[in-house]
Amino acid sequence: GESVGLHLPTLSVQEGDNSIINCAYSNSASDYFIWYKQESGKGPQFIIDIRSNMDKRQGQRVTVLLNKTVKHLSLQIAATQPGDSAVYFCAENMGGGADGLTFGKGTHLIIQP
Amino acid sequence: EPEVTQTPSHQVTQMGQEVILRCVPISNHLYFYWYRQILGQKVEFLVSFYNNEISEKSEIFDDQFSVERPDGSNFTLKIRSTKLEDSAMYFCASSPSSGRALAQYFGPGTRLTVT
Repeated sequence: GESVGLHLPTLSVQEGDNSIINCAYSNSASDYFIWYKQESGKGPQFIIDIRSNMDKRQGQRVTVLLNKTVKHLSLQIAATQPGDSAVYFCAENMGGGADGLTFGKGTHLIIQP
Repeated sequence: EPEVTQTPSHQVTQMGQEVILRCVPISNHLYFYWYRQILGQKVEFLVSFYNNEISEKSEIFDDQFSVERPDGSNFTLKIRSTKLEDSAMYFCASSPSSGRALAQYFGPGTRLTVT
């Protein structure tokens, strides 16, 4: 089964509103998480990361929250813009010396004008 | 801002043929990776490479696949005898250190179509 997955395949929000994209993971040993944005025909673009010893990390217009108790990760995008339309993936590193990232299926964020 | 680059952007090949996908990682990065993404599916890890050897590989990375860093800048993925199911986007990524510690930065991908 999957270790990383997303609750909603598609999220539609109004331009200017805040977006929250969720991700569940099942491996309690995972110690590092990344959110990527993927636009059509392009590679995953790094947005923000967080280590398991943190609960929250903020970037420019984005915030990642990590709840280790329920193994939940979220990405908050403030004041969404048309350019935020993309598929968003959470990815985890499972620790124990692993190099590779395990990706979720992705959430398609659609910005309504 | 430094970027990972990949060539070609699209490769079409016949089943059974060998293909080589090329990547130029970010210049001061030490770890290199290949991932693939079958159309409509999630990104899957194939292999990581450090200090001129494979560091980790997934179950997907079987004997048909190989990687090489032929010089100081290029990183290649070879598929010896392509199958229809090898059709996918192949992404190269690099990081300054192990993915456990730092983010992996992805290239734009090579779309491989096996006919």
